[in-house]
Amino acid sequence: EVQLVESGGGLVQPGRSLRLSCAASGFTFGDNAMSWVRQAPGKGLEWVGFIRSKAYGGTTQYAASVKDRFTISRDDAKSIAYLQMSSLKTEDTAVYYCTRHWDGDPHLDFWGQGTLVTVSS
Amino acid sequence: QTVVTQEPSLTVSPGGTVTLTCASSTGAVTSGYYPNWFQQKPGQAPRALIYRTSNKHSWTPARFSGSLLGGKAALTLSGVQPEDEAEYYCLLYYGGAQGVFGGGTKLTVL
Repeated sequence: EVQLVESGGGLVQPGRSLRLSCAASGFTFGDNAMSWVRQAPGKGLEWVGFIRSKAYGGTTQYAASVKDRFTISRDDAKSIAYLQMSSLKTEDTAVYYCTRHWDGDPHLDFWGQGTLVTVSS
Repeated sequence: QTVVTQEPSLTVSPGGTVTLTCASSTGAVTSGYYPNWFQQKPGQAPRALIYRTSNKHSWTPARFSGSLLGGKAALTLSGVQPEDEAEYYCLLYYGGAQGVFGGGTKLTVL
């Protein structure tokens, strides 16, 4: 059974950093890309970015709203994807979901339950 | 900035049929945008329904189908059930890499 479990959310002040983790199980983590999607309170889904599998170069793509502030990485040995967030703004307040992404045939299938990040002074 | 547009809300009667659409500000949506569709119910994580325009996941009910319609991606629900009341989101990929979600369609079954 595929499972994705996010952690690391919480309250953080504007301008500070926070790292989210996504622990994966039930599939060969290294074979898949991983994406992050966020949802501000009461709002729609926003694509954040993804990291390709090593077979596809392990490269990353980001939404313009987070580029140069957020970094996605992965540890295939531990089956964990990370979202490093820096220079946080109040508008980054959202539930952050990690999802499994398919390289070469872009789509998302399994989603975690999400972790809430609140950026406030 | 690329914008993906969905109907803000739609209402359908139980047993009826409804089509939700997904348009791109860049022009006609084609299969090259790899349209994805998701369902989200209050308090829950989204659930994937359709990928690559019309492909269903193993858990997707048969009454859901995806297509291209009039330059847009479309999600059709046939024989709507009360449990289909939810928010529906489309996702398009630009250049196979940059994803953009639509604003969502709130589907009411009434």
